Amino acid sequence: AQSVTQLDSHVSVSEGTPVLLRCNYSSSYSPSLFWYVQHPNKGLQLLLKYTSAATLVKGINGFEAEFKKSETSFHLTKPSAHMSDAAEYFCVVSEVLTGGGNKLTFGTGTQLKVEL
Amino acid sequence: DTGVSQDPRHKITKRGQNVTFRCDPISEHNRLYWYRQTLGQGPEFLTYFQNEAQLEKSRLLSDRFSAERPKGSFSTLEIQRTEQGDSAMYLCASSPKTGDSGNTIYFGEGSWLTVV
Repeated sequence: AQSVTQLDSHVSVSEGTPVLLRCNYSSSYSPSLFWYVQHPNKGLQLLLKYTSAATLVKGINGFEAEFKKSETSFHLTKPSAHMSDAAEYFCVVSEVLTGGGNKLTFGTGTQLKVEL
Repeated sequence: DTGVSQDPRHKITKRGQNVTFRCDPISEHNRLYWYRQTLGQGPEFLTYFQNEAQLEKSRLLSDRFSAERPKGSFSTLEIQRTEQGDSAMYLCASSPKTGDSGNTIYFGEGSWLTVV
């Protein structure tokens, strides 16, 4: 079975400083990996996805993630945090279902706090 | 273009009552998913439809839970004889049929259920 582990449940940064949210994955084959963000009382929004193309993936709002097979990692980064980035972030692995749909397995989430 | 729509957004019910949630996916998305998210956890997969066919069900979906998508458009998730452990956010999501493992899945804002 595929799984992801988010190494930090809470991360706190100052506005304007870099963000690093860590995620390790476990998969018996080349995985499809995603990062989703969830703002309070809002639905999940896709930040970026890796599907075996370029290992450095750029997403929305200045976020990017690098797929490192040797380290089984897919860490999320952003050069400069903004107050609006405060939210819950989920690392996700996908597996194909019957008929071609996708089952997403979520990590436990990392709560990002951005301070002035 | 509207996103995934869920109704009601919030429901408080007494233990033992039945509740039903409705989901309207993005137009022309033929794949529809239900997930459940409890406080402090990532969403967990419940079930998946392709058009009107329910192709996958999680073991989390007990006999008290039933999901339907009668005409391949909107879907309903019914919980019978609710228990306090059913209190959670129920998320609906949809995706188009494009055939690759990296399909983007779009989530609704969820339906909060509180069982008292």
